[in-house]
Amino acid sequence: QKEVEQNSGPLSVPEGAIASLNCTYSDRGSQSFFWYRQYSGKSPELIMSIYSNGDKEDGRFTAQLNKASQYVSLLIRDSQPSDSATYLCAVNRAGGYNKLIFGAGTRLAVHP
Amino acid sequence: DVKVTQSSRYLVKRTGEKVFLECVQDMDHENMFWYRQDPGLGLRLIYFSYDVKMKEKGDIPEGYSVSREKKERFSLILESASTNQTSMYLCASGADRVTFFGQGTRLTVV
Repeated sequence: QKEVEQNSGPLSVPEGAIASLNCTYSDRGSQSFFWYRQYSGKSPELIMSIYSNGDKEDGRFTAQLNKASQYVSLLIRDSQPSDSATYLCAVNRAGGYNKLIFGAGTRLAVHP
Repeated sequence: DVKVTQSSRYLVKRTGEKVFLECVQDMDHENMFWYRQDPGLGLRLIYFSYDVKMKEKGDIPEGYSVSREKKERFSLILESASTNQTSMYLCASGADRVTFFGQGTRLTVV
């Protein structure tokens, strides 16, 4: 089992719809969870972080965390073609120092 | 603005060459990292450093070494480049649970 798992996609949604991206992780000791967006040929850009169970909203983005189920998700409301990118889920490793384990990423395509 | 700067966007090197990838951050972060990213494999940690002159191996350190002589600068060294080291290399720095990435260096070894 991979430490951080994501569906590779592509996830295709129409413009204006809600895109739902999911991620599961294996280490129950993980405390910090992140979503990065990566456009083709570019570096990852941090868009959301979440540390406690529940929802965290920032503009059109909502991160959801369920530690009991070892599950974290990202919802993108009113999806735009500019949201088309690969979304990387990252989880902190034990031992601190900001060490992260990444999923392989989910490719999102928002079509007009 | 947060800034992590990698010295090159694209590099082409020959097999057997010694290759240096440089990274500088201006955020006074203690922690710095080198990852490589390959299709289908995601980002994998090569090495990280939590202080000047301090380093620890990540998941795939074989064939690589690092140097951190100053807090703001973290270098990745390929001792003898091989074709299987062709990849995107990403430097990152972090503190307070947040990590920022440089723009990446696409290295091709021929």
